[in-house]
Amino acid sequence: GDSVTQMEGPVTLSEEAFLTINCTYTATGYPSLFWYVQYPGEGLQLLLKATKADDKGSNKGFEATYRKETTSFHLEKGSVQVSDSAVYFCALSVPRGNYQLIWGAGTKLIIKP
Amino acid sequence: EAQVTQNPRYLITVTGKKLTVTCSQNMNHEYMSWYRQDPGLGLRQIYYSMNVEVTDKGDVPEGYKVSRKEKRNFPLILESPSPNQTSLYFCASSKGQGPTEAFFGQGTRLTVV
Repeated sequence: GDSVTQMEGPVTLSEEAFLTINCTYTATGYPSLFWYVQYPGEGLQLLLKATKADDKGSNKGFEATYRKETTSFHLEKGSVQVSDSAVYFCALSVPRGNYQLIWGAGTKLIIKP
Repeated sequence: EAQVTQNPRYLITVTGKKLTVTCSQNMNHEYMSWYRQDPGLGLRQIYYSMNVEVTDKGDVPEGYKVSRKEKRNFPLILESPSPNQTSLYFCASSKGQGPTEAFFGQGTRLTVV
């Protein structure tokens, strides 16, 4: 079945470091891919998305490229800030049925000053 | 302001005592769903609704009920809560089918003792 695998956390970085959070997926058909972010005590909010192969989603300095050949959608940011500390979720949506979102387990990111 | 509102935010209850968690959205979205979030498991869908009076089971529906009598409201009902339903619950809504953004409530942390 459809699934999403994320790197386990927590990931701890210093401020201004380069960030990569890996996400790979298994899906039949042509899924849309998403990154959501959950700040402490809050609900999830969409960070970025890509709907077809080679699309690049970007927002708030974060980027992710839909790589169909490697079934990946890795999240990157060139210079992280303390305010980026949160839990990041990779998810996919398959264009059939109810378009249910399939979620990764989440990766906790901790940025130290 | 576009939002999904859940209540209560925190709830401690005893085994077997019926409870309802309310969810309301003000964006006129057709699609609503309930998730539970448990450490290491990401988000798992409990129930979803594609429109008024249309509900269906997600991945982990056992022990839960929902109703969708109005477009804006989608309450989650636990008829006889058990300790394994201790979790963080999120309600979400989106415009409809397809790769559209899901908007999340702030979550309800439920503890069943």
